[in-house]
Amino acid sequence: AQSVTQPDIHITVSEGASLELRCNYSYGATPYLFWYVQSPGQGLQLLLKYFSGDTLVQGIKGFEAEFKRSQSSFNLRKPSVHWSDAAEYFCAVGPGYALNFGKGTSLLVTP
Amino acid sequence: DAGVIQSPRHEVTEMGQEVTLRCKPISGHNSLFWYRQTMMRGLELLIYFNNNVPIDDSGMPEDRFSAKMPNASFSTLKIQPSEPRDSAVYFCASSLSRIGETQYFGPGTRLLVL
Repeated sequence: AQSVTQPDIHITVSEGASLELRCNYSYGATPYLFWYVQSPGQGLQLLLKYFSGDTLVQGIKGFEAEFKRSQSSFNLRKPSVHWSDAAEYFCAVGPGYALNFGKGTSLLVTP
Repeated sequence: DAGVIQSPRHEVTEMGQEVTLRCKPISGHNSLFWYRQTMMRGLELLIYFNNNVPIDDSGMPEDRFSAKMPNASFSTLKIQPSEPRDSAVYFCASSLSRIGETQYFGPGTRLLVL
């Protein structure tokens, strides 16, 4: 069965510092991987996705993620965090139409 | 495009009452998903439709929950009777029916059952 694990429930980062959010998946074949962001009181917005090809994927708002098959990981990164990046981040895996979401990582950005 | 539209945005009701949540997907999208988000369980897929037909409803908690999609531009999720444990944020999402397509989420309906 497919599953997604986001090991960090909360992360605090200083504004301007780099960020890495972890995501591990379990799936028997090549997965389709997604990162979504949810701002307070809002729906989820897609940051980036990976299907195949280049394992380093660029997304919106300066985010990128790297697919590492050997580690079953799809970690999200940003070189310099802005206060507006404070939000909930969800990793998701989908072999088909329906997605399986992780529990999310809440990002707090301090001045 | 207006995006996925959900109504109401907030709903407060009393236990035992019927609740109906509504969703209008993005025009041209033929897959529609209903999710429920709680602190304890995170984001759970309740049901998804393809071309107005329910494909997978294994996530629907129990018979009190039902969902319909009478046409390509409208879907409802109904809870009858509602219970306090149904309190959650309910999201509707839509996408094109191709594997790996991006799902576009609505703003959600925040339901509180007293």
